[in-house]
Amino acid sequence: DGGITQSPKYLFRKEGQNVTLSCEQNLNHDAMYWYRQDPGQGLRLIYYSQIVNDFQKGDIAEGYSVSREKKESFPLTVTSAQKNPTAFYLCARRNRNQPQHFGDGTRLSIL
Amino acid sequence: GENVEQHPSTLSVQEGDSAVIKCTYSDSASNYFPWYKQELGKRPQLIIDIRSNVGEKKDQRIAVTLNKTAKHFSLHITETQPEDSAVYFCAASRNQAGTALIFGKGTTLSVSS
Repeated sequence: DGGITQSPKYLFRKEGQNVTLSCEQNLNHDAMYWYRQDPGQGLRLIYYSQIVNDFQKGDIAEGYSVSREKKESFPLTVTSAQKNPTAFYLCARRNRNQPQHFGDGTRLSIL
Repeated sequence: GENVEQHPSTLSVQEGDSAVIKCTYSDSASNYFPWYKQELGKRPQLIIDIRSNVGEKKDQRIAVTLNKTAKHFSLHITETQPEDSAVYFCAASRNQAGTALIFGKGTTLSVSS
């Protein structure tokens, strides 16, 4: 898993429901990222965090929220305000100026 | 902010041919350029990267070239094999700790035998 674990692998959301995607890393890296992948759209940045208790919005943050209470964890909540949540969500880690590595992803669908 | 354009969106080659994928970036302060390969249903994996202090980097059949003046960089795959079939993404960022990568939209490479 490249030192980063995402769960669950598949997730289903009902109308009006918030859902939380888990992302955990065990390599003590400072920076963590969330990307959304849609067919033909590449990887679009949702949020990222460089240190504990701090995070920045990416290009498509609307309808999403994050927290970074612990260095190893960076959960993403897809809120009911996100009207088109169906996508493949990828979490990534990066240590200083080293390459960025991804988790195995969570595939979110609407029921 | 940074914007990365990638071309072509699809590329079909015969086994043994070469494949070239090109990307342009907008932020002149960007100085780190990785390439990722993503197989169907799997996570993107880093295959090669280049920093702005070099113009070319090779790793076996894969090479990346960078033209800082023109703000573009390219991935070259020689002697392509069917297992090279995948989606390839370029990305760019400033090489500062924690800076987020901005990705191109990807190129679907198909290698037929």
